[in-house]
Amino acid sequence: NAGVMQNPRHLVRRRGQEARLRCSPMKGHSHVYWYRQLPEEGLKFMVYLQKENIIDESGMPKERFSAEFPKEGPSILRIQQVVRGDSAAYFCASSPSGGPVETQYFGPGTRLLVL
Amino acid sequence: AQSVTQLGSHVSVSEGALVLLRCNYSSSVPPYLFWYVQYPNQGLQLLLKYTSAATLVKGINGFEAEFKKSETSFHLTKPSAHMSDAAEYFCAVSGQTGANNLFFGTGTRLTVIP
Repeated sequence: NAGVMQNPRHLVRRRGQEARLRCSPMKGHSHVYWYRQLPEEGLKFMVYLQKENIIDESGMPKERFSAEFPKEGPSILRIQQVVRGDSAAYFCASSPSGGPVETQYFGPGTRLLVL
Repeated sequence: AQSVTQLGSHVSVSEGALVLLRCNYSSSVPPYLFWYVQYPNQGLQLLLKYTSAATLVKGINGFEAEFKKSETSFHLTKPSAHMSDAAEYFCAVSGQTGANNLFFGTGTRLTVIP
C-alpha cells in the first residue's frame, strides 16, 4: 500500500509566480490535511478537506492561498503570486476518517523556495 | 485552545544512553497526544499516540511515552539510544471538539554521539 505521495518534492518559483502542490492520499483515505513548516519551526495546520469539501480552513492565509480535493485526482494546494515568506516545506497528511484520535499519515513534503 | 511546548530544541546523548524528550501540553478538553519523528528531508512518521486507553504508551523503535495528567506532560523516552535515532521529534496534541487538526510543538533535534 503506497504511502502519501506529494509532488513535486522541490519547487522553485520567482516572486509573483504561482505554485501548485499536489497530494495523493493513501489508498482508502478520504481525509486530507495540509500543514506548513517554516525553517526551525513546527508544523502549522492550514486546511482540512474531504472529497470535494473544505471542512476547516482556519489556518489558511486569507489571500493568495487556496486548496481543493476533487472527486477524482489529487488534492491541490495553490499559492498565487508567491512571496519570499512563502518559502517553506508543505506537508500533506491523510487519514481514513475524521476525528481527533485518527492517525494522520504524512507525505514527504514539497519544499518551496521563492527567489 | 490547545498547544504543546517542547523543552529543549536540541538534545545530545551518547550512544547507549537514555533518551528523554520533554513535552508539555495545554488543553481545555481531554487530549489525544502524538509523537512523530522526522528524518532529514522526509515526512513525519508516527512513533506512538495516547488515546486515553493506557497512560504508558509503547511505540515503534523502542520508544515509549507516559501520559501524566497532573503534570500535563507526555515525555518520550528510550532506554538506550542508537545512532539511527538521530532525527527531529515532534510532539502534537488534538482533541478539540469539531477540530481534526494537530497542534505541533517546535520540535527537538536529537543528536546521538558515538
